[in-house]
Amino acid sequence: AQSVSQHNHHVILSEAASLELGCNYSYGGTVNLFWYVQYPGQHLQLLLKYFSGDPLVKGIKGFEAEFIKSKFSFNLRKPSVQWSDTAEYFCAVNVLISNFGNEKLTFGTGTRLTIIP
Amino acid sequence: DVKVTQSSRYLVKRTGEKVFLECVQDMDHENMFWYRQDPGLGLRLIYFSYDVKMKEKGDIPEGYSVSREKKERFSLILESASTNQTSMYLCASSFTLAGDYETQYFGPGTRLLVL
Repeated sequence: AQSVSQHNHHVILSEAASLELGCNYSYGGTVNLFWYVQYPGQHLQLLLKYFSGDPLVKGIKGFEAEFIKSKFSFNLRKPSVQWSDTAEYFCAVNVLISNFGNEKLTFGTGTRLTIIP
Repeated sequence: DVKVTQSSRYLVKRTGEKVFLECVQDMDHENMFWYRQDPGLGLRLIYFSYDVKMKEKGDIPEGYSVSREKKERFSLILESASTNQTSMYLCASSFTLAGDYETQYFGPGTRLLVL
C-alpha cells in the first residue's frame, strides 16, 4: 500500500524566510501528487498538483513543488513566506485502484507552519 | 465553484448513540469520500463511493458505515458512538475521468465530540 511521509511536524519561520517542506512517498507505480493547505478555521484546499510533464509545479500564492522521481519526493517550497502562510500543509499521493479511473488519495500526517511577523 | 457542505460544524453525542453525518455536493461528482482528521495522524480515509449505492472501505472503516442513496449525498453513520471516534470528520468529492486524476474538494468538516 502507498504511504506518504512528512518529516517536519511543526515549522516556525520568520516572515521573508525561505520555506521547504519535505514529502516522501512509497509507491512503485505511477503516482499523482498533491499539496493541500488548511488555513486556520478554513476548508482544506488544493495548493498545487503534479500529474505529468514538467516536474517543477507552480501553485497558488507563490508556492512551488518539485517532483523528483528517483528520490520519491515532492517537496514544497516558497522563497519568501508571509504571516498569512500560517497553516497546516498536507502532502498526498493519488493512485489508481481500478481500471475505471477510480483513485484513492493517501495523505501525510501534515506539517504545521507558523510564521512569526 | 464546487461546494461541499456538511450538515453540522460541531456535534456532541454520548457513548452508544447512533450518529449521522451528512455531506452534500453540488457539482454532480461521481466520487465521494469520508475522512477523519486527527492531530499527528493527518487525514485517514474511512469510506468512499464511486457511484450511487456503491461503497468501498477505506483504511479505517471499523465502527463506521455509509449510505449513498443519491448522487449528491453521502452519509457517514456511527452505529454506536465511542469516545475514540471523537475527531474532525471531512467529506470530499471529485470527478472520475478515465486515465486522469481529479482534485478532491473538501467540505468544512464536522467536529464530533463523543462523551
